[in-house]
Amino acid sequence: EAGVTQFPSHSVIEKGQTVTLRCDPISGHDNLYWYRRVMGKEIKFLLHFVKESKQDESGMPNNRFLAERTGGTYSTLKVQPAELEDSGVYFCASSQVLGEKLFFGSGTQLSVL
Amino acid sequence: GDSVTQMEGPVTLSEEAFLTINCTYTATGYPSLFWYVQYPGEGLQLLLKATKADDKGSNKGFEATYRKETTSFHLEKGSVQVSDSAVYFCALSDQSYDKVIFGPGTSLSVIP
Repeated sequence: EAGVTQFPSHSVIEKGQTVTLRCDPISGHDNLYWYRRVMGKEIKFLLHFVKESKQDESGMPNNRFLAERTGGTYSTLKVQPAELEDSGVYFCASSQVLGEKLFFGSGTQLSVL
Repeated sequence: GDSVTQMEGPVTLSEEAFLTINCTYTATGYPSLFWYVQYPGEGLQLLLKATKADDKGSNKGFEATYRKETTSFHLEKGSVQVSDSAVYFCALSDQSYDKVIFGPGTSLSVIP
C-alpha cells in the first residue's frame, strides 16, 4: 500500500512567486491535514479536510495560502505570493478515521529567496 | 491554548547510552499524548502513544509514561543505537482529535 506522497520534495522560489504543493493521501483516507515547520520550530497545524470539505482551517496564516481538495482525493496548497517567512517544511498527513493514527508524507522543503 | 514543550537539542550520545527527552504539556481536558520520530530523509512516524493517565507507551525499546500530575510524557530508552539518530517530536491531540499539536522537536545524534 502506498503511503502519503508529497510533491515536490524541494522547491526554491523567489519572493513574490507562486508555488503549489501537492499531497496524495493514502487511498480511502477521508481525513487530510497540512502542517508546516518553520525555522526548526514546532510543527504547526494549518488545516484539516474531511473528504473535500475544510473541517478546520484555523491554522492558515493568512490569505496568501489557499488549500483545496477537489473530489476528496489529493490536495493542493498554493502560496501566492510567497514571502520569505513562508520558508519551511510543509507536511501532509492522512488518517482513515478521526482520532486514529496519522500517516505523514516526507514533506516539501520550501525555500523562498 | 494547548501546547507542548520539550527539551532543546541537539542531543549527542554515545552508542548504548541512556536517553531521556523531556516533554511537558499544557491542555484542557484529557489529551492523548504521542511521540513522533523523523528519520533523515523520511516523513514523521508515530513512535508511541498513551491515551490516559498512567498509561505507558512503548515501541522499539522506547518508553514514555503519561503523568497527569506533572503534565509530562518523557521519552526514555535504556541503550541507544546509531540508527536511533533522528528528530523526536512530542505531541498531543485534544479530545476532538481534529488536530495534533507538536512540540519543537529534539534532534538526537548517536555516535559509535
